Amino acid sequence: DTGVSQDPRHKITKRGQNVTFRCDPISEHNRLYWYRQTLGQGPEFLTYFQNEAQLEKSRLLSDRFSAERPKGSFSTLEIQRTEQGDSAMYLCASSLAGPRVPDTQYFGPGTRLTVL
Amino acid sequence: GQQVMQIPQYQHVQEGEDFTTYCNSSTTLSNIQWYKQRPGGHPVFLIQLVKSGEVKKQKRLTFQFGEAKKNSSLHITATQTTDVGTYFCAGPHSGGSNYKLTFGKGTLLTVNP
Repeated sequence: DTGVSQDPRHKITKRGQNVTFRCDPISEHNRLYWYRQTLGQGPEFLTYFQNEAQLEKSRLLSDRFSAERPKGSFSTLEIQRTEQGDSAMYLCASSLAGPRVPDTQYFGPGTRLTVL
Repeated sequence: GQQVMQIPQYQHVQEGEDFTTYCNSSTTLSNIQWYKQRPGGHPVFLIQLVKSGEVKKQKRLTFQFGEAKKNSSLHITATQTTDVGTYFCAGPHSGGSNYKLTFGKGTLLTVNP
């Protein structure tokens, strides 16, 4: 399978714990995005990487959230001191920057986080 | 900030009936994208519209981009049970960043066989 993959698919944690999610983009894609989706809503942009550089962060991304893409390939999203309001589906997408603006974003299956 | 609104929020149809969802942006969009998300699944890219007044077809799906580039629609002819899912429109966030998409809340389509 050459699509975007995410791990784990489901995570249940207790309030106050730290969690980390991983995203593996489509191999030749240089852009990677994180979104959050709650029930009945569309995906909300969190952050964006071009290669290893994090170029933009949403106001939604509080200081408890951090994302990395150390070698310009896979990315991790860490949430520290989780709160119940963090419960959501965390979606990763990737795209290939090219002459076509904007790129087509391909989404992974998501990680569903439940904070108890 | 920029808002992308979709109506209706829900639509239930009998198989074979037509379906339309509408998308409106508070700002002019350089392009608009449509995604489909099956229940329990993730958003899957359907199409991108760029030109004012553009119309594109994919089999039974017809996508339109308004002349003012502030609205769009998706029309499905003769729905099938495989069309079930939530349809989202998304536009680039105002401020020039073409990569950052603002999604509508989506229209959930259910089809009665």
